[in-house]
Amino acid sequence: DQQVKQNSPSLSVQEGRISILNCDYTNSMFDYFLWYKKYPAEGPTFLISISSIKDKNEDGRFTVFLNKSAKHLSLHIVPSQPGDSAVYFCAASADGNQFYFGTGTSLTVIP
Amino acid sequence: DTAVSQTPKYLVTQMGNDKSIKCEQNLGHDTMYWYKQDSKKFLKIMFSYNNKELIINETVPNRFSPKSPDKAHLNLHINSLELGDSAVYFCASSAQQGLSYEQYFGPGTRLTVT
Repeated sequence: DQQVKQNSPSLSVQEGRISILNCDYTNSMFDYFLWYKKYPAEGPTFLISISSIKDKNEDGRFTVFLNKSAKHLSLHIVPSQPGDSAVYFCAASADGNQFYFGTGTSLTVIP
Repeated sequence: DTAVSQTPKYLVTQMGNDKSIKCEQNLGHDTMYWYKQDSKKFLKIMFSYNNKELIINETVPNRFSPKSPDKAHLNLHINSLELGDSAVYFCASSAQQGLSYEQYFGPGTRLTVT
């Protein structure tokens, strides 16, 4: 039973354009949402987070949007850079301890 | 200066063997985790552990057991290895202070059971 879903396994974007990665969840108790970035042969690294009391959080080129009614969050990267090419995982938790991860979206930024 | 380290990075072993994966964090975090990433790239939590509480994902077979000699270490012991245990195993840690819930991951251990 996968509580967090990333339905797009891959995404290609031109350098300088916006990348939008999507994530859907089923558990209405989830209050904390994180995005991680993963390069091959490395562990995931934290990128940005949002709690359910907000609908937007911004950090430099990265913005996460949360739509609680739709149980949907998205990560916007603008402008996209070749170094952003990686697999992006969203994760959600109800208690801030046990996080449920999506299966990831592989982003390729084309120079 | 690695924050979360795991050894070994690769582990190839035969069915029925018992093996361990070591994890160490130098971040002073209170909570450590083990995750399994299977062939479908699904990253699934196995355990979370701090010095007070071990939370076990109920789907994890009891052949898997975490051992924590101290706050900075959480090792994973696997008994009677099976083919289906082949996966990448990630260790992680977090501080869980305030609204900071991000976890710091190790580089992963690729386990292959033959």
